[in-house]
Amino acid sequence: ETGVTQTPRHLVMGMTNKKSLKCEQHLGHNAMYWYKQSAKKPLELMFVYNFKEQTENNSVPSRFSPECPNSSHLFLHLHTLQPEDSALYLCASCPREGLYNEQFFGPGTRLTVL
Amino acid sequence: GESVGLHLPTLSVQEGDNSIINCAYSNSASDYFIWYKQESGKGPQFIIDIRSNMDKRQGQRVTVLLNKTVKHLSLQIAATQPGDSAVYFCADLGGRYKLIFGSGTRLLVRP
Repeated sequence: ETGVTQTPRHLVMGMTNKKSLKCEQHLGHNAMYWYKQSAKKPLELMFVYNFKEQTENNSVPSRFSPECPNSSHLFLHLHTLQPEDSALYLCASCPREGLYNEQFFGPGTRLTVL
Repeated sequence: GESVGLHLPTLSVQEGDNSIINCAYSNSASDYFIWYKQESGKGPQFIIDIRSNMDKRQGQRVTVLLNKTVKHLSLQIAATQPGDSAVYFCADLGGRYKLIFGSGTRLLVRP
């Protein structure tokens, strides 16, 4: 247990569906991250939030929409996804964005887009 | 059609032997490095980190070596055990304080 939980663990959705991924951290951290891990590429950073403010959008398509209502919760809203978006979506947190900060990862949500 | 998985370098070692996993990084300005372990069905788990003002750091059964001259990082695991079987990633702190992950090495431990 890393103190970072993600739900659901598995999700299958059609291209016209709207769904949301949830991440919660119980570590008192102030920075939260979304990563995409696919079979074809290394771990890719998607979004970063630091003290609830988005500090990084790594050229992510608008069909992915993040939300960070507070420092403990992070959401990724999904709509009109493509089959190539099928991947493991990982959430991570660290004390704050900056130097020498280990990131703690959740177990991920395995997403399949049909 | 069937998707083709990312081809990961694989290291196969005998249980009880030492393992050495290598990683090259490209950003000469990186000053913080982390090794992560990812077991099947789980997220990456922190193993050990090292700052650029060090060239060696030891943990429990693991040692990380940093060679800044050739921008190379290695992870040594002593007396490798079946539970060490996983994918290992190095990551370095790139520009704007973002971790940049390598593609990973799969470690297989033979009984």
